[in-house]
Amino acid sequence: RKEVEQDPGPFNVPEGATVAFNCTYSNSASQSFFWYRQDCRKEPKLLMSVYSSGNEDGRFTAQLNRASQYISLLIRDSKLSDSATYLCVVNGAGGGNKLTFGTGTQLKVEL
Amino acid sequence: NAGVMQNPRHLVRRRGQEARLRCSPVKGHSHVYWYRQLPEEGLKFMVYLQKENIIDESGMPKERFSAEFPKEGPSILRIQQVVRGDSAAYFCASSLGDRDYGYTFGSGTRLTVV
Repeated sequence: RKEVEQDPGPFNVPEGATVAFNCTYSNSASQSFFWYRQDCRKEPKLLMSVYSSGNEDGRFTAQLNRASQYISLLIRDSKLSDSATYLCVVNGAGGGNKLTFGTGTQLKVEL
Repeated sequence: NAGVMQNPRHLVRRRGQEARLRCSPVKGHSHVYWYRQLPEEGLKFMVYLQKENIIDESGMPKERFSAEFPKEGPSILRIQQVVRGDSAAYFCASSLGDRDYGYTFGSGTRLTVV
């Protein structure tokens, strides 16, 4: 089983749609969780941290379920500029203090 | 710009040559990480360093690859005798070392082996 697993997509959605991404991780001892965004051929950029209580940043909502080892990201009112690859990231997934990245879910927002 | 600085942005090497990739972390960050991203694949952890120490090199290939983070100067990822399969984007990231915070990534070095 992969340490961090995501549906690769692509998700093709119309502008204004709501889209949800899911992610699972294998190591129950994992400490902290993040969503990153990566645009084509560029560096990953931190989108938001993920907490058990759930957290929201504008149109983005992230949720963590430690019991199920499951992380989600919800994007409301999608914009064309949201088109990117969304990376689920876990600290401690592979042991030690380092970030382990999922392979990413590609989102394409269309007119 | 106080971000992570990587150079060169693009590097072309012939098979058998050496590649040296440099990374200057965010000012004040003492933790440096190197990741490799092959075309159409995810980021794979290579090595985690603090000043003058390798903390975790579990992702480093056993041969030809080495990394250092000296007391003064940037972190260096060195690839000896490059092969075509080494062609990839190499990203460096830095952090304060606190698990609750993510990393700041540099723009990467795109290595092409011809």
